[in-house]
Amino acid sequence: ETGVTQSPTHLIKTRGQQVTLRCSSQSGHNTVSWYQQALGQGPQFIFQYYREEENGRGNFPPRFSGLQFPNYSSELNVNALELDDSALYLCASSPGLWTGANVLTFGAGSRLTVL
Amino acid sequence: AQSVTQLGSHVSVSEGALVLLRCNYSSSVPPYLFWYVQYPNQGLQLLLKYTTGATLVKGINGFEAEFKKSETSFHLTKPSAHMSDAAEYFCAVSGDSGGSNYKLTFGKGTLLTVNP
Repeated sequence: ETGVTQSPTHLIKTRGQQVTLRCSSQSGHNTVSWYQQALGQGPQFIFQYYREEENGRGNFPPRFSGLQFPNYSSELNVNALELDDSALYLCASSPGLWTGANVLTFGAGSRLTVL
Repeated sequence: AQSVTQLGSHVSVSEGALVLLRCNYSSSVPPYLFWYVQYPNQGLQLLLKYTTGATLVKGINGFEAEFKKSETSFHLTKPSAHMSDAAEYFCAVSGDSGGSNYKLTFGKGTLLTVNP
């Protein structure tokens, strides 16, 4: 079975620009979560999608938005990029609605650098 | 609200020595606890998890962790370190899905180095 794949793996943007990151969930997984991992920090929850609807959101501003598609793949969009948005963005998928005990399968991440 | 504290941002051991990575949590609901490992340029891989039942949990690669409710701890151990264990380790907590808990809350991580 394929795991979670993310694209692009690396990208560089300048302040004020917009970025779209993409994620294909593991086969059979219909829940996708996004996390931001700043350098030297643990991952922080951005939001979660279940069956194409946002199912929970962390403490991130509205310029962070997402989508989930019928095939359960997902996009993370960030508008008006700031220097502090530089981080590794991790996508994770899990089967079924979040119960707290779900095991998340993580992708390798997209590393965003904002100059 | 939930939080995780990992004591020691960097732990260094010799090959063959005991590995002990410390994790303390706070949670207002019965916790589910996880340890993930991250190798360079890779995503997070699950080592083990505690949800209910036996408090000593065995995971992959010879790692285990014990849930101690009275100490709010979930320390990770391995009897004998191997060079391939060098990586960053993250402890994480979640809770029952009642309410608005949709996430894993991670600690800041502990970088494990293994010396020959």
